[in-house]
Amino acid sequence: SAVISQKPSRDICQRGTSLTIQCQVDSQVTMMFWYRQQPGQSLTLIATANQGSEATYESGFVIDKFPISRPNLTFSTLTVSNMSPEDSSIYLCSVVGQTYEQYFGPGTRLTVT
Amino acid sequence: GENVEQHPSTLSVQEGDSAVIKCTYSDSASNYFPWYKQELGKRPQLIIDIRSNVGEKKDQRIAVTLNKTAKHFSLHITETQPEDSAVYFCAASIIGRASDKVIFGPGTSLSVIP
Repeated sequence: SAVISQKPSRDICQRGTSLTIQCQVDSQVTMMFWYRQQPGQSLTLIATANQGSEATYESGFVIDKFPISRPNLTFSTLTVSNMSPEDSSIYLCSVVGQTYEQYFGPGTRLTVT
Repeated sequence: GENVEQHPSTLSVQEGDSAVIKCTYSDSASNYFPWYKQELGKRPQLIIDIRSNVGEKKDQRIAVTLNKTAKHFSLHITETQPEDSAVYFCAASIIGRASDKVIFGPGTSLSVIP
């Protein structure tokens, strides 16, 4: 399985600011995704991070709020922009292995005050 | 798009008993069905998966069954142990589609009482 790291592991941010979360994988992967998990809830897909092109966003998520970069096959960033308390959540990146299993990073716990 | 439902939302069993969690999906094209276990404060971990060309798969105390006609799949845990206590998520995906994205059910919180 792929080894996935995320930075930061947690952060407390002020309303109106932005935070960029980094996801690093120890091997090249085709598919990378960003999820949000609010307390006690399931995982909600934000977007698919496409290497070399714009991310594909799910309904309810827009690029201006959650810009995503994926400069290569092992790295991606998710920015949460102009944050409000409603953005407080755990953000997880995930990758799909060669036999289609999906693995998750450890997550970034974001608190917006 | 795909929609995955999961029941029950909470489940409490005595240690040693069996636990069953059931899921349904809406997209008949879905062909890959993973199950994840998430312990408190940790990331989801893949515990077992099944593909549409298989009706049942077993791994020690865990088994998954799939009924493609009814669009149902279930997780069975036998001889439950306290360390099985966690939130379990079912999911559905279409392997081979360009995006390969996985859609998750709402989760089942399993408590195993010693």
